[in-house]
Amino acid sequence: DVKVTQSSRYLVKRTGEKVFLECVQDMDHENMFWYRQDPGLGLRLIYFSYDVKMKEKGDIPEGYSVSREKKERFSLILESASTNQTSMYLCASSLLTGGPQETQYFGPGTRLLVL
Amino acid sequence: ILNVEQSPQSLHVQEGDSTNFTCSFPSSNFYALHWYRWETAKSPEALFVMTLNGDEKKKGRISATLNTKEGYSYLYIKGSQPEDSATYLCASPRGSTLGRLYFGRGTQLTVWP
Repeated sequence: DVKVTQSSRYLVKRTGEKVFLECVQDMDHENMFWYRQDPGLGLRLIYFSYDVKMKEKGDIPEGYSVSREKKERFSLILESASTNQTSMYLCASSLLTGGPQETQYFGPGTRLLVL
Repeated sequence: ILNVEQSPQSLHVQEGDSTNFTCSFPSSNFYALHWYRWETAKSPEALFVMTLNGDEKKKGRISATLNTKEGYSYLYIKGSQPEDSATYLCASPRGSTLGRLYFGRGTQLTVWP
């Protein structure tokens, strides 16, 4: 079974802190994604990566950066956390070769509260 | 339709009722339509990937149909059970070979015992 794990289920941070959210997948997937989910807005893509050291902006990249130094790990970084970044963050992975039909496999999410 | 849209936003049904909800998507340059189920405190999990017009897929009491010409998919649940309570998401890629999906806002289903 594909397993996508996220470093924390719940996180509380203060405004201005630098926050790292870690995601690890164990299926050798090329694609990895970071989403945030807010009530009434659905899943919105922040960043994705299709290879090590490669990254592409999603729909809402402002205030975030990412790092992919190893194939299995994709990190989301909030350089200076703000209260409007309080949200549920979901990581996902998929095979690159599957293209548009490829299923994404999700982690359990990290619920981040920025005070 | 420019985006992936889902209706209704939420739905409350009694145990045993059958229910359905809709996903609308851009019909031009269609590649695939994905359905996911997201239960509270769990990871979203894939239900179906649909690619052909007229496709119908089934998993237990849940089935889905696809109309690519008019740009919609229906998800049906027959004889709803409390364990079907979840948010149901649909998603469509938009021409990307990189597997990027555009998600609708979801339909939150609550099944009351």
